[in-house]
Amino acid sequence: KAGVTQTPRYLIKTRGQQVTLSCSPISGHRSVSWYQQTPGQGLQFLFEYFSETQRNKGNFPGRFSGRQFSNSRSEMNVSTLELGDSALYLCASSWRRGQNLASTDTQYFGPGTRLTVL
Amino acid sequence: GQQVMQIPQYQHVQEGEDFTTYCNSSTTLSNIQWYKQRPGGHPVFLIQLVKSGEVKKQKRLTFQFGEAKKNSSLHITATQTTDVGTYFCAGYSSGSRLTFGEGTQLTVNP
Repeated sequence: KAGVTQTPRYLIKTRGQQVTLSCSPISGHRSVSWYQQTPGQGLQFLFEYFSETQRNKGNFPGRFSGRQFSNSRSEMNVSTLELGDSALYLCASSWRRGQNLASTDTQYFGPGTRLTVL
Repeated sequence: GQQVMQIPQYQHVQEGEDFTTYCNSSTTLSNIQWYKQRPGGHPVFLIQLVKSGEVKKQKRLTFQFGEAKKNSSLHITATQTTDVGTYFCAGYSSGSRLTFGEGTQLTVNP
């Protein structure tokens, strides 16, 4: 089974621009989460989507948005880029068993998109 | 909100020495997961602990879940250079979401 794929792998943008990152989950996985990773900051949760609905959202400004399509593929968008947005953006998919919030499943991470804002 | 703290942030060991990273949650957890991220790579799932006081082993790695289900540890016996990477714990509370610790970056000197 193919793993989680993310495109593009590397991206260079300038301040003020916007960017769209894409994530294709493992076939059959319906939940997609996005994380921002910067040196010394660990994995900062952005948002989670399940069946095209945002289920959870982290503490990021409204410039960060996302969506999920009917085939479970997900995109995240960052508008008006700032220097501090430079990071590795990781997408993770999981097989969410229905909508039972009493448990969680293994997160399968993609290779990430390395965004550099100049 | 739920917070998961992990210590130490960095650990340097000589090959053959043992290594331990600790994870503490501000709330009682339903379960805890551990991930490893190699340099330049992405986090990869290692294991999940669910029961109070649970201990699981994977070769030289020993994972423990505290009796109160608020803390966990990962212990590596006789580290090898292949153990290099950042180890993350991630805790889940009912009604919340999976929360990652900040990770412990392990370097192993040959």
